[in-house]
Amino acid sequence: QSALTQPASVSGSPGQSITISCTGTSSDVGAYNHVSWYQQHPGKPPKLMIFEVNDRPSGVSNRFSGSKSGNTASLTISGLQAEDEADYYCSSYTISNTVVFGGGTELTVL
Amino acid sequence: QVQLVQSGAEVKKPGASLRVSCTASGYTFTDYYIHWVRQAPGQGLEWMGWISPRSGATYHVQKFQGRVTMTRDTAISTVYMELTRLTSDDTAVYYCAREGGLETLDHYFDYWGQGTLVTVSS
Repeated sequence: QSALTQPASVSGSPGQSITISCTGTSSDVGAYNHVSWYQQHPGKPPKLMIFEVNDRPSGVSNRFSGSKSGNTASLTISGLQAEDEADYYCSSYTISNTVVFGGGTELTVL
Repeated sequence: QVQLVQSGAEVKKPGASLRVSCTASGYTFTDYYIHWVRQAPGQGLEWMGWISPRSGATYHVQKFQGRVTMTRDTAISTVYMELTRLTSDDTAVYYCAREGGLETLDHYFDYWGQGTLVTVSS
């Protein structure tokens, strides 16, 4: 199972909005709404930010939102803050009953 | 509060076996599946599989067929992941993570252990 495709890096200034894409296939992202997003700061475990495409866990800022169109999912962060600087990973359930992650996107807040 | 606490870092020689433990607290242990995810140095996340603490049923990626065993001890709310025939490619941080869905598999992970660094080196 190939990893989902994410941009290696994105950047934005404080207050701006950015979007990270996550492209899969009809066997994973396009097949189910089991798409989630994780934030990882250096040396820390990942933190769930979005699940089931666009649901936010309790305690996660509403500046984070998710969407999906066809085989591509997206994570949008609005009102960028310095603390948002981290690596972001998407994941999806697949028709093979496995989970596949994206390669990760490094977000830099300028 | 929900916590997953993993065993400490390990250094192993090629060909050896590894066992990582993950002790849960703050919720009913048998209500949520536990997944294992690993991350090689400077690399992305790789899902390995899951275990049902209730039934003991497991599922893992074909890549680890014959090398990985996941078990649980409900008396102490702990799951274990054993990986045999280690190579340098198994050097990674290993995470346990709780399934987000209650008594089901929605395949997202809402709580994570702190990670266990495993180094395989001769």
